[in-house]
Amino acid sequence: NAGVTQTPKFQVLKTGQSMTLQCAQDMNHEYMSWYRQDPGMGLRLIHYSVGAGITDQGEVPNGYNVSRSTTEDFPLRLLSAAPSQTSVYFCASSYDAGGDGYTFGSGTRLTVV
Amino acid sequence: AQKITQTQPGMFVQEKEAVTLDCTYDTSDPSYGLFWYKQPSSGEMIFLIYQGSYDQQNATEGRYSLNFQKARKSANLVISASQLGDSAMYFCAMREFSGGSNYKLTFGKGTLLTVNP
Repeated sequence: NAGVTQTPKFQVLKTGQSMTLQCAQDMNHEYMSWYRQDPGMGLRLIHYSVGAGITDQGEVPNGYNVSRSTTEDFPLRLLSAAPSQTSVYFCASSYDAGGDGYTFGSGTRLTVV
Repeated sequence: AQKITQTQPGMFVQEKEAVTLDCTYDTSDPSYGLFWYKQPSSGEMIFLIYQGSYDQQNATEGRYSLNFQKARKSANLVISASQLGDSAMYFCAMREFSGGSNYKLTFGKGTLLTVNP
């Protein structure tokens, strides 16, 4: 089925470890973004991309890196995990940045101990 | 200042009744968009309804309608004939221009709706 695929669904990391959260979409969407969801905070934008080779920072970018080498993939990298990065991470995509519909992945629940 | 404000942390409604979830927003972008998403306990984000800032008519999608009052900067979600499956967290979100060719989608903190039998 077409949509946004996030892997893994669950992950436990030790403080200081690095990892990459994967996000892939097969809808030929130009716009992709990463959010984190924390209790009582709603969803906050980490990084976004308006097309291959173009990325920009959102509201809470510190501690995260992204790249967009293809239209389909938009991985989120944690270089040195911290307990403050314990959260649920969502990837979302849209046909274009000014679109009227954003499709979300099913989320990755990350725990940093 | 918050871009999206949802003032109701929690709401209760009886099954088959209608319920209104409040959302106010703040933006200087004349061409913005407003969204409502549903997040059930399973965690996925489900798109419900969209309203563009230039749309003359209030958006409707089945039992969902968006009460768009542009001058008041409010975009309340109305759910008619509530069902037990409507129990979930509901998020209001706004898409606005953020420079260059970029847009940002900003979310409110959500309202937890509980539908009682």
